This record gives sequence, C-alpha cells and structure tokens, in this order.
Amino acid sequence: EDQVTQSPEALRLQEGESSSLNCSYTVSGLRGLFWYRQDPGKGPEFLFTLYSAGEEKEKERLKATLTKKESFLHITAPKPEDSATYLCAVQAGGSSNTGKLIFGQGTTLQVKP
Amino acid sequence: DTEVTQTPKHLVMGMTNKKSLKCEQHMGHRAMYWYKQKAKKPPELMFVYSYEKLSINESVPSRFSPECPNSSLLNLHLHALQPEDSALYLCASSLGQGVSEKLFFGSGTQLSVL
Repeated sequence: EDQVTQSPEALRLQEGESSSLNCSYTVSGLRGLFWYRQDPGKGPEFLFTLYSAGEEKEKERLKATLTKKESFLHITAPKPEDSATYLCAVQAGGSSNTGKLIFGQGTTLQVKP
Repeated sequence: DTEVTQTPKHLVMGMTNKKSLKCEQHMGHRAMYWYKQKAKKPPELMFVYSYEKLSINESVPSRFSPECPNSSLLNLHLHALQPEDSALYLCASSLGQGVSEKLFFGSGTQLSVL
C-alpha cells in the first residue's frame, strides 16, 4: 500500500536554529514528491516538486532533497514567519493514480523569536 | 492571476439544509479538485474534474454532489449532511490532470454541520 510518513509531528525552534523535516514514502513508482506549506485556516501553498533521487531545490531559507526512500526539507536560520504546517505529498505510478496526491500527516513548525 | 477563490469562507448549516460551495479560477487550468480536511489531518481527495468531466470520485457519499459548469467554476452541492462532515473544504486546480502537476489551492470553506 502506498504510504507517506512525516516526522517529527511537531518541531519547536529558536529563530536562527537550523533543522530538517523528514518525509518517508513507500509508493509503487514515484511520479513526483511535493512539499506544501499550510498556515492555520488556509489552503496549502506549493513549495517544491522533486522527481528523482538526488534532486535538490531551494527557495529562500528552504531546501528540499530527495532519495529513493525519503525527502528532507532543510530550514536554514528560520524566522518566526516560517511557522506553519509543512505537508509532504507523493503521486504514485499507474494510470488510476493520475491526479491523486497521497499526503503525509504534516510537521507543525513553530519558530520562536 | 494565480488565485483560486472559494466562497463562502465560513458556512454553518443544519442537517436538513441544502447549501453549495463555490470555487473559481482564471488561470486557464483544466483540472479542478475538491479536498476535505479535518482538523490536524492532511487533505483527503474527494473529486477530480478534468476538462469539465468527472474523472475521479473517491467513493464520496451521495450527500456531496459536485458540478463543473465550465472550465473556471467548480461547485459542491451539500444536502442532508452529518455533523461528522464538518471540516475545511478545499478547492484546487492544476494545468491538467497530468503526471506530477502541481496544485494551486484556495483558502477553503470552513463548514460546520449542526
């Protein structure tokens, strides 16, 4: 069964304290791995798509990496405005899965000033 | 315009009411989605429309009825809902229902069923 697991569930950091969020996945034929940010009461906001092992993408203080079994979202010198829930999602292979995203449970990040 | 607009933002309804959620995008996207999200849980896919035709129904109860009048609009008609249907309902769109298409989400409708 296709599955996505994120850890930790919650993470508290001091401003400037770098860390990483983990997304482990088990899918039959990965088509794409997505990272989203979600603020309370809002819809998810797209951050990155990764397609193959070894791929990396960066945006401001965020860097996403991908291996054959997991993805990391590295946050460098975070600021309070980075506080949000970060969702990982994958699209599995197979024609019946086109358009379907399997989401992990999310990591809620709190950055204190 | 890179926005997906959902109305209303909040909705309270009784179990005998009929209401509709609306979603609109003007990005020229041809795939539109309804997701349901309970508190502290990830979004769950309900329906996918591709080129105005229903392509995926994730075994959603018939008290939820989707409609796609044109390529820019998506509705979700609600009837005889249960309290456990209370959730954040998210609309999303993508360029197409293709492989690895990134989704643009609206801010959602927070629904409470009394």
